[in-house]
Amino acid sequence: KAGVTQTPRYLIKTRGQQVTLSCSPISGHRSVSWYQQTPGQGLQFLFEYFSETQRNKGNFPGRFSGRQFSNSRSEMNVSTLELGDSALYLCASSLVAPGDEQYFGPGTRLTVT
Amino acid sequence: GQNIDQPTEMTATEGAIVQINCTYQTSGFNGLFWYQQHAGEAPTFLSYNVLDGLEEKGRFSSFLSRSKGYSYLLLKELQMKDSASYLCAVNPSNDYKLSFGAGTTVTVRA
Repeated sequence: KAGVTQTPRYLIKTRGQQVTLSCSPISGHRSVSWYQQTPGQGLQFLFEYFSETQRNKGNFPGRFSGRQFSNSRSEMNVSTLELGDSALYLCASSLVAPGDEQYFGPGTRLTVT
Repeated sequence: GQNIDQPTEMTATEGAIVQINCTYQTSGFNGLFWYQQHAGEAPTFLSYNVLDGLEEKGRFSSFLSRSKGYSYLLLKELQMKDSASYLCAVNPSNDYKLSFGAGTTVTVRA
């Protein structure tokens, strides 16, 4: 079956703009988690969704938001982009919770100039 | 908060063995994962430990000691393709997230 897909794969934005990233989980998976990955920082947890509900949120400013749709697809939005938001944004899906095995998408590489 | 430590870098020779340690201090514990991530690619699942002891899967083994807050990933018969970053991640209880260490970059040399 198809893996986790993320669109777009690459994105270049300027400071102050906003961006929306999309994630389609593996069919049947209902838990979707988002992570930010930067060199030296590892994967930093952004938020997790299940059945359209955010169950947990990491320590990121309110500029970072997300949502999940009834088909389990998820989006995350970053408003008023800053240079420090340049990173690889990874989405991971699992059956019902992150404690199940997580499958990662290829990520969206965001560059803010 | 969650604190997960692993070495930043390790180098080993093709055919050798490397052990990557991970120590953790978390608000709860409901399992520990190891992931492999090649440069420019997504992390892929390697192993999962929830009970103390050694789990062996081919050339890779993972060990857990819950009382010590300690795990290691053992890579045997190293191959060039094993050059990658290895991520330790803990699932704290009832937290709906995984907490990741910063990753260990393993370089395999001929």
